[in-house]
Amino acid sequence: DTGVSQDPRHKITKRGQNVTFRCDPISEHNRLYWYRQTLGQGPEFLTYFQNEAQLEKSRLLSDRFSAERPKGSFSTLEIQRTEQGDSAMYLCASSPDPKGNQQFFGPGTRLTVL
Amino acid sequence: AQSVTQLDSHVSVSEGTPVLLRCNYSSSYSPSLFWYVQHPNKGLQLLLKYTSAATLVKGINGFEAEFKKSETSFHLTKPSAHMSDAAEYFCVVSDQGGGFKTIFGAGTRLFVKA
Repeated sequence: DTGVSQDPRHKITKRGQNVTFRCDPISEHNRLYWYRQTLGQGPEFLTYFQNEAQLEKSRLLSDRFSAERPKGSFSTLEIQRTEQGDSAMYLCASSPDPKGNQQFFGPGTRLTVL
Repeated sequence: AQSVTQLDSHVSVSEGTPVLLRCNYSSSYSPSLFWYVQHPNKGLQLLLKYTSAATLVKGINGFEAEFKKSETSFHLTKPSAHMSDAAEYFCVVSDQGGGFKTIFGAGTRLFVKA
């Protein structure tokens, strides 16, 4: 399978715990994006990487959130001290270059914070 | 800054009748525009994209959209709805002013009645 993969697909955690999600983009795609989608809403941009460089972070991304893409391939999104409001679907997407190209989305990681 | 407005949160049509999902955008630059579809429990799939070539764009599954700069619109249409078209549809804008990050509309839920 050469699509975007995300792991885990589902995560249930207790409030206050830390969680980490992984995204493996399509090979050789240099752009990688993270989004959050809550029920009944469109995906909201969180951050994106050009290779290993994190170029932009949304104001939605509080200091409890951190994302990395250390070698310009896979990426991780960590949420520290989770809150119930963090419950959402976290989507990852990749694209080969920025201008005019579609993003290829992974299946998402559904986070439930109890 | 770019933005996108989907004018209808829900659209209901009968099978075999035309579909119209409306989208207006705002962009200070020449935008790229996309329509994505999301079926329940499935990932986002690209339907079509506009990237400053032909203003009438044809996509998969018989969908098409027309870019109208004067009206800042990018409405999605299909001549004849099929039951399998029932899903959530997202209009998306991306431009160089936003570093090519993508902004999703809130989505339009399409219902298809037999």
